[in-house]
Amino acid sequence: AQSVTQPDIHITVSEGASLELRCNYSYGATPYLFWYVQSPGQGLQLLLKYFSGDTLVQGIKGFEAEFKRSQSSFNLRKPSVHWSDAAEYFCAVGAPGLSFGAGTTVTVRA
Amino acid sequence: GAVVSQHPSRVICKSGTSVKIECRSLDFQATTMFWYRQFPKQSLMLMATSNEGSKATYEQGVEKDKFLINHASLTLSTLTVTSAHPEDSSFYICSARDLGVSYNEQFFGPGTRLTVL
Repeated sequence: AQSVTQPDIHITVSEGASLELRCNYSYGATPYLFWYVQSPGQGLQLLLKYFSGDTLVQGIKGFEAEFKRSQSSFNLRKPSVHWSDAAEYFCAVGAPGLSFGAGTTVTVRA
Repeated sequence: GAVVSQHPSRVICKSGTSVKIECRSLDFQATTMFWYRQFPKQSLMLMATSNEGSKATYEQGVEKDKFLINHASLTLSTLTVTSAHPEDSSFYICSARDLGVSYNEQFFGPGTRLTVL
């Protein structure tokens, strides 16, 4: 069975500071991993994905994530957060039907 | 890019009535569509996988007679919530897979908020 754990329910970060969101997964084979962002009233937007190859994945909006098989992790990072990054972030695993983590709410303070 | 639409975006209905939600892939053919449910402040839960021209596959615990899914064409899947009750109130999100782009990637619709009074 596949599952995803996002340990942090809520993170508050200052604008301009770095951000890291944690994601741990359980999957029986080579995982297909995704990070999505959901803003209030908006649909899910794909930030980045990992299927194979280079374990450091670059995404949109300046986000990146690193796949670490030994730790079953796929953490999302951004070096400098903007106020517009305030949103709900979901890590997901699987293919084709996805299992989502519980989500992490990111608040950005001025 | 691949665009998925949902209609309606928001619906309010009385308890006991049925509600139909449409999911369309606008610029690609989707052989597979997925339906998810999201409770307030919670994650998305996969309800069912819908394949064009065949019966949907439901996840464990999802009542197939309650949530009727039809995928009659390569661009349209519908979810009908039958005899809706207040506990069915939720945010329903569909996604579609474009085999021409990627087997493993899916594109999400904006969601439909259902409120059952």
